[in-house]
Amino acid sequence: DQQVKQNSPSLSVQEGRISILNCDYTNSMFDYFLWYKKYPAEGPTFLISISSIKDKNEDGRFTVFLNKSAKHLSLHIVPSQPGDSAVYFCAASAIYTGTASKLTFGTGTRLQVTL
Amino acid sequence: DTAVSQTPKYLVTQMGNDKSIKCEQNLGHDTMYWYKQDSKKFLKIMFSYNNKELIINETVPNRFSPKSPDKAHLNLHINSLELGDSAVYFCASSRYGGGEQYFGPGTRLTVT
Repeated sequence: DQQVKQNSPSLSVQEGRISILNCDYTNSMFDYFLWYKKYPAEGPTFLISISSIKDKNEDGRFTVFLNKSAKHLSLHIVPSQPGDSAVYFCAASAIYTGTASKLTFGTGTRLQVTL
Repeated sequence: DTAVSQTPKYLVTQMGNDKSIKCEQNLGHDTMYWYKQDSKKFLKIMFSYNNKELIINETVPNRFSPKSPDKAHLNLHINSLELGDSAVYFCASSRYGGGEQYFGPGTRLTVT
């Protein structure tokens, strides 16, 4: 049972345009959402997160939107740059205990930013 | 300075062998994790330790045994390796339970 889904395995965007990556989840207990970026042969790198009490969080070129009623979040990258080409993972967590949380990951979307 | 490091980066071994993967973090975090990324690219949590105490133990064969000698280190020992253990194993750490997790570069394990 896949609780976090990224239905687009790949996305191609021109440099300078907006990239929109989508993520859907099914578990209502998730209360914290994260986006990670991954280059080949490297570990996932944390990009941006959002708590369930918010509907938007912005950090530079990256903005995450959360629609709790639709159980949907999206990552907007504006403007897209060639260095943004990577695999983007959506992740969600519910506080497991006060000391650790279990991240549930989507399967990733490969973003290619073309010149 | 590497925040979360793992050794080795690549590990090729035969079925039935026992191997260990080491992880160290210099972020001062209290919580560390092991994740497995399988051939279908699913990243799934295996274990979590907080200050040397096991907190999360997912449904993982008991051939996998994590060990945390101190809060900066979390090692993964695997006994009697099987072909299905071939995967990339990522270590991660977080400051506390609810925050973002920072990942190491991964260890690609290939069992032949």
